[in-house]
Amino acid sequence: SQQGEEDPQALSIQEGENATMNCSYKTSINNLQWYRQNSGRGLVHLILIRSNEREKHSGRLRVTLDTSKKSSSLLITASRAADTASYFCATGRLNNAGNMLTFGGGTRLMVKP
Amino acid sequence: DAGITQSPRHKVTETGTPVTLRCHQTENHRYMYWYRQDPGHGLRLIHYSYGVKDTDKGEVSDGYSVSRSKTEDFLLTLESATSSQTSVYFCAISESDGITTQYFGPGTRLTVL
Repeated sequence: SQQGEEDPQALSIQEGENATMNCSYKTSINNLQWYRQNSGRGLVHLILIRSNEREKHSGRLRVTLDTSKKSSSLLITASRAADTASYFCATGRLNNAGNMLTFGGGTRLMVKP
Repeated sequence: DAGITQSPRHKVTETGTPVTLRCHQTENHRYMYWYRQDPGHGLRLIHYSYGVKDTDKGEVSDGYSVSRSKTEDFLLTLESATSSQTSVYFCAISESDGITTQYFGPGTRLTVL
């Protein structure tokens, strides 16, 4: 079962525009992470936000977390063609597996030059 | 990139044959994970390891077994491959206890005919 559900499933924008992707989840979490996957490649970690944090920034990325609504958003500002990829949220819970991640189905982002 | 390699990178096999995929890390990380990625399902956890000879089942473990005899190697075996196991398989590693990220390998594309 998927803990995180991304919305939209696909997004097409022009270069220079901002891209916003949303993630909703169902159960309590310790942290939430966003990953990026280029076509045919492995996942690359972008940003981690803990459950007691509300917002984090990394370069052109801004992530928010609202635990009361069980939702997160990833904002990519001033998008570039090179941002074209699939983006996944993953909810994290701590157990004997370490930080156990459950992934959503992803958002496919296309940035047109 | 984290030092994670997967072998083979591509494999075509026939239904009923056993298949073993290998994940090798040079990071000396404690935790290792096997996921499968299918369209519409994101990544789903198959098995994970929290130390040498310490493994446990994930969400979709039926038909799979794992072994970890050394810190650096985590093997995934499909005991008798079926067409439903056609997928892309990713290995991931994580460093320590607590809230940490996972680092992913490049993936193995497996086709079961």
